[in-house]
Amino acid sequence: DVKVTQSSRYLVKRTGEKVFLECVQDMDHENMFWYRQDPGLGLRLIYFSYDVKMKEKGDIPEGYSVSREKKERFSLILESASTNQTSMYLCASSARAGTSGNEQFFGPGTRLTVL
Amino acid sequence: RKEVEQDPGPFNVPEGATVAFNCTYSNSASQSFFWYRQDCRKEPKLLMSVYSSGNEDGRFTAQLNRASQYISLLIRDSKLSDSATYLCVVRIYGGSQGNLIFGKGTKLSVKP
Repeated sequence: DVKVTQSSRYLVKRTGEKVFLECVQDMDHENMFWYRQDPGLGLRLIYFSYDVKMKEKGDIPEGYSVSREKKERFSLILESASTNQTSMYLCASSARAGTSGNEQFFGPGTRLTVL
Repeated sequence: RKEVEQDPGPFNVPEGATVAFNCTYSNSASQSFFWYRQDCRKEPKLLMSVYSSGNEDGRFTAQLNRASQYISLLIRDSKLSDSATYLCVVRIYGGSQGNLIFGKGTKLSVKP
């Protein structure tokens, strides 16, 4: 079974704090993604990575950065958390496009609250 | 115009009913199509891919109309356990490495 795990299910931080969200997948997938999901806005892509040390901006990268030092791990960093970054954060992984379909496997999500 | 549009619902139906969801996409370069299911407070999971010829998986039938840029999902004999949000998803041809575009979802509630 494909497994994508995220470091925390719930997280509460204060405005201005640096926040790290960690994601690990065990299927040797090349692609990894970070989304946020908000009511009425659906899933929005923040950043993605298609290889170690590679990253590309998604639709809403402002206020975020990412790190992919190892193939199985993709970290999302909030350099200085703000209240408008309160959201559900979902990590996903998939095999390289054109192989094994394009199915993305999601982690359970981290609900982040910034006070 | 939004890339993937869905009626947000909610669709409230009795057990045993047949219900259909529609989805339109704006980018004619869209290549692959999927329906994902997301249970309340859970992560999205792939329900089924959508093929040009249409495809069926048990009580679920997916159709694609490329000319109209329209995808549908039909659920027959609804079960209580079908209650969830259904996300219409497309992949754009040439999109980087498997990027998917998600609709905002259609909420289904199946009542006893």
